[in-house]
Amino acid sequence: NAGVMQNPRHLVRRRGQEARLRCSPMKGHSHVYWYRQLPEEGLKFMVYLQKENIIDESGMPKERFSAEFPKEGPSILRIQQVVRGDSAAYFCASSPPERRTSGREPYNEQFFGPGTRLTVL
Amino acid sequence: KQEVTQIPAALSVPEGENLVLNCSFTDSAIYNLQWFRQDPGKGLTSLLLIQSSQREQTSGRLNASLDKSSGRSTLYIAASQPGDSATYLCAVTQGGSEKLVFGKGTKLTVNP
Repeated sequence: NAGVMQNPRHLVRRRGQEARLRCSPMKGHSHVYWYRQLPEEGLKFMVYLQKENIIDESGMPKERFSAEFPKEGPSILRIQQVVRGDSAAYFCASSPPERRTSGREPYNEQFFGPGTRLTVL
Repeated sequence: KQEVTQIPAALSVPEGENLVLNCSFTDSAIYNLQWFRQDPGKGLTSLLLIQSSQREQTSGRLNASLDKSSGRSTLYIAASQPGDSATYLCAVTQGGSEKLVFGKGTKLTVNP
């Protein structure tokens, strides 16, 4: 059972170009999360998607960034007109559709991919 | 707004030593707390997940405890090995949200 896959692993773009990052969740997982790790910073949540729906995009920058998780195919994080400040590691995580329950609360466990390291020249 | 802090930022120990990594969070109304390991240039590996109703979880040489009321968690690593060298991240979720809020991590170096 393959884990979460992300491609490309490394991506170099010049300022003003577009960056497309892909994430294939684990088999059977229908929830996808994107996180960004800036140099010397912790991981920050960006967006949470289920198939064909954006559930929580509270961490997404208001401009230039968009995400989708179509019915078929991987989730895509798209960054338009990249700037140097977009250079970071972008991680995708996935979780299964069912929520496990132990005790009183349902809970999920997120499984992370290896990340895409974006460098903007 | 939830904030997660990890102390120390870096730690270097000789092989075989027992050690404790600390994590604190500002809002005690958490759902879960997870400890992850991140190797350089790699993704995150989940080590332990503690639900808010639990006090601790154990896996092999790792033991994580949670004191929700004081907003603290510790990760105890017994008999450390050079292969334990990595950055250890603490993250929490809160009710009504699926997102993980991360600390900046503790970079651990275990010297042979």
